Amino acid sequence: DAKTTQPPSMDCAEGRAANLPCNHSTISGNEYVYWYRQIHSQGPQYIIHGLKNNETNEMASLIITEDRKSSTLILPHATLRDTAVYYCIVSRYSGAGSYQLTFGKGTKLSVIP
Amino acid sequence: DSGVTQTPKHLITATGQRVTLRCSPRSGDLSVYWYQQSLDQGLQFLIQYYNGEERAKGNILERFSAQQFPDLHSELNLSSLELGDSALYFCASSGTGNNEQFFGPGTRLTVL
Repeated sequence: DAKTTQPPSMDCAEGRAANLPCNHSTISGNEYVYWYRQIHSQGPQYIIHGLKNNETNEMASLIITEDRKSSTLILPHATLRDTAVYYCIVSRYSGAGSYQLTFGKGTKLSVIP
Repeated sequence: DSGVTQTPKHLITATGQRVTLRCSPRSGDLSVYWYQQSLDQGLQFLIQYYNGEERAKGNILERFSAQQFPDLHSELNLSSLELGDSALYFCASSGTGNNEQFFGPGTRLTVL
């Protein structure tokens, strides 16, 4: 699976949009971009995923560049509860609900009041 | 609440011992994944089972083994424990056609 590069930490003011970048320049055509987050020592939580189109759900938006070498996760109105480590992961879906997540160090997002 | 349950929540044991961690996936999910999170190694994928069969292996030590039972719950067995095995162990499950993994609350293992 392709490797990803994320900034180690970011701050965001409460109520503002948080934009978390991720580079995955070696991504191949059948690999998806996934975002998970981990709040303190809880189990990681799925946020969103995409292949090449931009995606939006109730939690966030995912913007993938046309060449697919980078992406940005957008939390539109960050709250204090969004303080967490955010992981960008590239993985190939191998069917029947199977894919393996290789977690890097992620980005520690701190939402400031 | 993800729907994935793990027991026990905490486990304290001594070096050389053997422990079993248990995971119950979300209802209907056929895939179960095990992950280890330690301070120095981060979150690492250990092993995946799909409908009772081993599907993929990650950085799992030979001292560790897992299985998935007919009712789809899974157990992770850790033997000859060492201090470095102290970590959070997470189980996750996913369903067929579903790209999302649902993680349990984890088991915190402390080896003294």
